[in-house]
Parts: sequence; structure tokens; C-alpha cells
Amino acid sequence: GAGVSQTPSNKVTEKGKYVELRCDPISGHTALYWYRQSLGQGPEFLIYFQGTGAADDSGLPNDRFFAVRPEGSVSTLKIQRTERGDSAVYLCASSPRGGLGYNEQFFGPGTRLTVL
Amino acid sequence: AQTVTQSQPEMSVQEAETVTLSCTYDTSESDYYLFWYKQPPSRQMILVIRQEAYKQQNATENRFSVNFQKAAKSFSLKISDSQLGDAAMYFCALRHGAGNMLTFGGGTRLMVKP
Repeated sequence: GAGVSQTPSNKVTEKGKYVELRCDPISGHTALYWYRQSLGQGPEFLIYFQGTGAADDSGLPNDRFFAVRPEGSVSTLKIQRTERGDSAVYLCASSPRGGLGYNEQFFGPGTRLTVL
Repeated sequence: AQTVTQSQPEMSVQEAETVTLSCTYDTSESDYYLFWYKQPPSRQMILVIRQEAYKQQNATENRFSVNFQKAAKSFSLKISDSQLGDAAMYFCALRHGAGNMLTFGGGTRLMVKP
């Protein structure tokens, strides 16, 4: 079956612009995660959705970052007034469910965001 | 707070030989999972192996095995009979929280020499 897909694969924007990054999880997966991977570093957690609601957004760096998942499937990560420091690979992952117990996270190929 | 540390930025191994990647972690939780992920240039994270903290037996998946030392908070990955396709970034990760979020280490770049 289809895995997690992310669009666009690459996004180049100018400082101060608004961008949207899309994640299509595996069908039926209720949990969805966003991570940010800066160059030469490991991914860092941003936000976790269980269904339509953001169950944990403690990793969002500031209020310029926002994410939605209105129908409990596709999610969009939105970044306002982009800064050069936002340049990174944004990874999305989904799992059959969140919560306690083991649930493997399946990752997408990421979106490489470059802010000039 | 959870932390994961990988002290080896790069490692090199000869094809068919064995290599061990190191990882240490810290967590206040008593029930947790540890993982090793492989990230090739395609950027997609691939799960290599996982270990439940309550299990004393070290996990094994074909050529990949771990040495889990809970008291020392150490979780190393051993790759036997290394193959050219094993060359990639390897990340150690700790699952924590009610939401199953992952905290990753900084990664180790593994090079395999033919």
C-alpha cells in the first residue's frame, strides 16, 4: 500500500513569506507527527495529532508555526513570516494510533524548505 | 526531559566486517522504547530495530542487534557482515510521553568501504 507522502519535495521561499507543507498519512492511521530536521542534526518533534485535534504542540518553536488536520487525515504545517533559521527538512510520520503501547511511526520523505 | 546522545559523528567499516554504533540516553520514565533508524540520502527514516525497556533480552533483526544496558542507559547497535547498502545516517531514538513522540540523537554517518 501507499506510504506517507509529503508535498512539495522541495520548497524555496524568501524571508518573510508564508509557506504551507502538506502531509498525506497512511490511510487509517489516526496519529500524525511533524518533526523538523536541521542540517547535520537529528529530527526534533514539533506537533502530534490524534485524529483531528493537536494532542501535543509543545515542540512548535513559536507562534509563527501552526498545523491543522481538519478531517483527521491530511495535515498541513503552516509557517508565517519565514526566517532563514526555518530552513530544514520537515518530516511527517503516521502511526495506527497514538497513546501508550508500541506503535511504529512510518515516515514520509520530508519536505526540504530553504528560506533565502 | 528526555535526551539522546550519539557520540560518534562518523564511523567507517570494511564490507563484511562488524561495526558498533553507540547511543546513550536519559529519561525519567520507567516504561519506554528505544529505536535505531536508518536515513539514506532519500531522507526517508527506516526503522531498523526496536527495544522495549522492560525486556532484558537484547533485540535482534537479521544482521542487526542491540546491546541494551538499562542501568547505564546505553543502547548500542551492532551491524554484522556490513554491506554497501548499509551506508547511511543512523539515528538512535527514544519514545516517550503519552503521545508516543520520539526524541532523536544527533546521528552517526556510517560509511562502508568495499
